Formats: sequence, structure tokens, C-alpha cells
Amino acid sequence: GIQVEQSPPDLILQEGANSTLRCNFSDSVNNLQWFHQNPWGQLINLFYIPSGTKQNGRLSATTVATERYSLLYISSSQTTDSGVYFCAVERTGGYQKVTFGTGTKLQVIP
Amino acid sequence: KAGVTQTPRYLIKTRGQQVTLSCSPISGHRSVSWYQQTPGQGLQFLFEYFSETQRNKGNFPGRFSGRQFSNSRSEMNVSTLELGDSALYLCASRAPGQGNNSPLHFGNGTRLTVT
Repeated sequence: GIQVEQSPPDLILQEGANSTLRCNFSDSVNNLQWFHQNPWGQLINLFYIPSGTKQNGRLSATTVATERYSLLYISSSQTTDSGVYFCAVERTGGYQKVTFGTGTKLQVIP
Repeated sequence: KAGVTQTPRYLIKTRGQQVTLSCSPISGHRSVSWYQQTPGQGLQFLFEYFSETQRNKGNFPGRFSGRQFSNSRSEMNVSTLELGDSALYLCASRAPGQGNNSPLHFGNGTRLTVT
């Protein structure tokens, strides 16, 4: 099956700092989403981004499908950004299983 | 529009028992999928249902099963519970579209503890 790797696995930031999270995948995909999992376990949609670039406030994401990676940018981080960030992909071709990456655990300290 | 609703939020069961979890999708969404999250294995796909038919299945033993009703609500069942089944179980729904080209929306999950 498709392999999805995220880096870095852990990240500690000072409040106000910027960061880039990466998601690499091993096969062509037609769906890619970024999620933030809060301390209560809820998965919150950040971006649905099979290709291209999107921005939402302090967050933006870019997926380069031909090179099999996606980036999530967090600018001016806040303590509420803490949690685990996951990317999830579906391979191209019919109805495929969703595969999640291993996640990046982000801690933003005041 | 109400989000994806999962019940119950927390559950404690004993080894050998069975459990049924429920998921109500966002209104109009006909696809429901289930996921298991454990510290060791991460987030893993269990199965997906669309219009009452299982469309895809992950690599889980037959003790894990599911179904979908005509109103798109879904249930998953785990029989003969093992300690390793302790996990957060998440359900997601998505709007109809061509193939699976629409985002997943997740519920708050059911945290199952097996003792």
C-alpha cells in the first residue's frame, strides 16, 4: 500500500515563531487532507488540498502532487496551535482506502 | 448543519464482551468510514460504507464489522473484545461526489477501554 511519512515527528516552538510541516507519499494521490487533532482527540479539518496552494488565516498549505509531497505552513504560532497534525491521502484510482501519516506533534510554548 | 455525531463518547468493556458504536453523518452525506487510533499503530482505516454497501475494508480481523442503514447512519461492532482493541474510534462522513473527491469530516470519536 501507499506509504505516508510526516516530518518532523516532534516540534517545539516559541509562541510567534513560524514552522513548516512536511508530508511525503509514495504513490500518486487524488485526495490529500491536513488535520489538526486537539488534546480531546477531535480531528479538525484544516485543508483539503489534492494539489495547489491554499491559505486560511495564519495557515497555508501546498501540495505538489507530481513530486509527491505536501507542506503545511504555520505562521505566528499560538499556544492553541499545539496538538498533532496529520496528513491523510487516498491513492488515485476508484475508491481507495484512506491512509494517514504518522503525524507531527507540535508544542507551542509561551 | 449538524456535524458528525458519534455515540457513546466513552465506553469501558471487559475482555470477551462485544461492543457497538454508532455514527450519524452530516445530513446529505452518504459515505461513512471508520478508523481506529492507537498509540502504537496510529490512525488506521477500518471500513467505508456508501448507500448501505461496504465499499472498502482495511486490514482488521473479522471481529470488526459494520453496517449502514438507509438513513446513512452507521454502526460498527467489535466482538470478543481484546485488550488491544482499546483505542479511539473515529467516524467520518463525506459528501457525494465523483469518486471520493470531497473532504472527510470527522466526529469526536468514541474512546473504548477494554479491561
